[in-house]
Amino acid sequence: EAAVTQSPRNKVAVTGGKVTLSCNQTNNHNNMYWYRQDTGHGLRLIHYSYGAGSTEKGDIPDGYKASRPSQENFSLILELATPSQTSVYFCASGDGRVEQYFGPGTRLTVL
Amino acid sequence: AQSVTQPDARVTVSEGASLQLRCKYSYSATPYLFWYVQYPRQGLQLLLKYYSGDPVVQGVNSFEAEFSKSNSSFHLQKASVHWSDSAVYFCALSRSSGSWQLIFGSGTQLTVMP
Repeated sequence: EAAVTQSPRNKVAVTGGKVTLSCNQTNNHNNMYWYRQDTGHGLRLIHYSYGAGSTEKGDIPDGYKASRPSQENFSLILELATPSQTSVYFCASGDGRVEQYFGPGTRLTVL
Repeated sequence: AQSVTQPDARVTVSEGASLQLRCKYSYSATPYLFWYVQYPRQGLQLLLKYYSGDPVVQGVNSFEAEFSKSNSSFHLQKASVHWSDSAVYFCALSRSSGSWQLIFGSGTQLTVMP
């Protein structure tokens, strides 16, 4: 069954540390997305990708980098984590016009 | 600018009652519209989608939504709710070019009382 998986599911990091969130999809979709979810804001787009080797900035990219080494994998990187980046992060895949398929989320706490 | 507004942060209804969750959008053209549901500690699951054609679309678990271009709305409805419908519901629109990213409303927390 096609799916989007994320790891880790929960992460506690220290301020100033580096955090990498990973996403894998078996949908064979070209597009992949990273969103963060905060109360009162719904989901907001951080970075997205059109395919392997491509990364694009979304609406709130500051403090985040992304990497798409293959069709299946898309990582979100926090080089210097801050408490304001405490949130729930969702990865999604999509092939353009149809709906996106979401992973289960990663709960990140930055102390 | 594109945006989605869900004016009700929380809605409480009794089991068996009818339900309407409101969604208003702002977009220069006819958008692609979606309703997603999020159960506790889970990702988002698609309930239904509207691309074009019949303004009333059917989704899973007897949910339906009605698109209105004149009102810029896409309200979600259900004739009779069950306690298991308690969840957070998100309305979203898709930018019809480029990244096809989704723009989400802030969500509505639905609580169904037994």
